[in-house]
Amino acid sequence: DAKTTQPPSMDCAEGRAANLPCNHSTISGNEYVYWYRQIHSQGPQYIIHGLKNNETNEMASLIITEDRKSSTLILPHATLRDTAVYYCIVRVPNAGNNRKLIWGLGTSLAVNP
Amino acid sequence: NAGVTQTPKFQVLKTGQSMTLQCAQDMNHEYMSWYRQDPGMGLRLIHYSVGAGITDQGEVPNGYNVSRSTTEDFPLRLLSAAPSQTSVYFCASRRTGLEGYTFGSGTRLTVV
Repeated sequence: DAKTTQPPSMDCAEGRAANLPCNHSTISGNEYVYWYRQIHSQGPQYIIHGLKNNETNEMASLIITEDRKSSTLILPHATLRDTAVYYCIVRVPNAGNNRKLIWGLGTSLAVNP
Repeated sequence: NAGVTQTPKFQVLKTGQSMTLQCAQDMNHEYMSWYRQDPGMGLRLIHYSVGAGITDQGEVPNGYNVSRSTTEDFPLRLLSAAPSQTSVYFCASRRTGLEGYTFGSGTRLTVV
């Protein structure tokens, strides 16, 4: 599975949109982009995933560039409870061997009042 | 639904002791995995299962065993605990290969 690159930390003002970038320049055609977040000491929480089309759910929007080499997770109106570490991962669904799945250290997002 | 339930939440072991970390899900998910999380490192896959009776090794399987006799349960066994196994352990499940994982709240293990 392809490796991802994320900035180690970001800040965002409460009520504003938080845009979290992820670079996955070696992504292959059948790999999906997944986003999770981890609020301090809790288990990671799934947010959203996509292949090439932009996706939106009740938590966030996912924008994937046309060449699929990068993506952006958008939290439209960040709240203090969105302060967390955000992970961008690429993988092949249903792949029998997940050994090479790399989570990385993610982006630590601080939402400030 | 309770989701993914992990027990115990905290555990202290002496070097050489064995124990089983329990993981149960009530969502009828086929896929289950065990991860460990250490400071300064990302989540690392220990073992995973794509259905009852089927397990396979992840990135860091040494020192751990798993079995999957039912869809609901996926216990992780530490055979002979070592200080290097001090970590936070997360169990996760998903219904299909495409969906995102649902994670448990973790087990914080200290080996002294």
